[in-house]
Amino acid sequence: DVVLTQTPPTLSATIGQSVSISCRSSQSLLHSNGNTYLNWLLQRPGQPPQLLIYLVSRLESGVPNRFSGSGSGTDFTLKISGVEAEDLGVYYCVQSTHAPYTFGAGTKLELK
Amino acid sequence: QVQLKESGPGLVQPSQTLSLTCTVSGFSLTSYHVSWVRQPPGKGLEWMGVIWTGGSTAYNSLLKSRLSISRDISKSQVFLKMNSLQTEDTATYYCARSPGNYWGQGVMVTVSS
Repeated sequence: DVVLTQTPPTLSATIGQSVSISCRSSQSLLHSNGNTYLNWLLQRPGQPPQLLIYLVSRLESGVPNRFSGSGSGTDFTLKISGVEAEDLGVYYCVQSTHAPYTFGAGTKLELK
Repeated sequence: QVQLKESGPGLVQPSQTLSLTCTVSGFSLTSYHVSWVRQPPGKGLEWMGVIWTGGSTAYNSLLKSRLSISRDISKSQVFLKMNSLQTEDTATYYCARSPGNYWGQGVMVTVSS
């Protein structure tokens, strides 16, 4: 199974600070159809997860453009350019290139 | 609009079978995959399995011996059945539509005698 390693596990940030989260895969997430099925989710306390980024870098509708995704192959990054209070929660990467699908362990974004 | 809603028992006894239903609206099960994901209290997300548009399924390697996912297209429902439940299976269970932009609110299942 594909293992997704997220770092850091915890991130402390001030409002307005830019931060990045890394997600590394144990094997390439490039599908034979040319797509890379790596998504980023945010889960706020007490809520179901929310899709932020799909196919590595595509911004889900309604998600602020301070969120951006990049990467290829086995190395991916989520960047928040200017953290806002509503961004606090746990971020997960998830891959659906290879079945069984798998999640990263999560990165908790806290206020410093 | 797209909606998913999980339903099922809140309490299951150890060694028993869990049966959950995900009722969807606003889309067809023949057009979108639906996954089941669970989250133990205070822990991360665990992908359990998926039923693809064609009806085939894939499962988490650690759960596949206990888990079954099926659907009723006419009722717009996806079913999860997992047997031999233990206390470690206590979690909130979610269903989600691919690519993960729509989720149910989740149902909390406690395994206890």
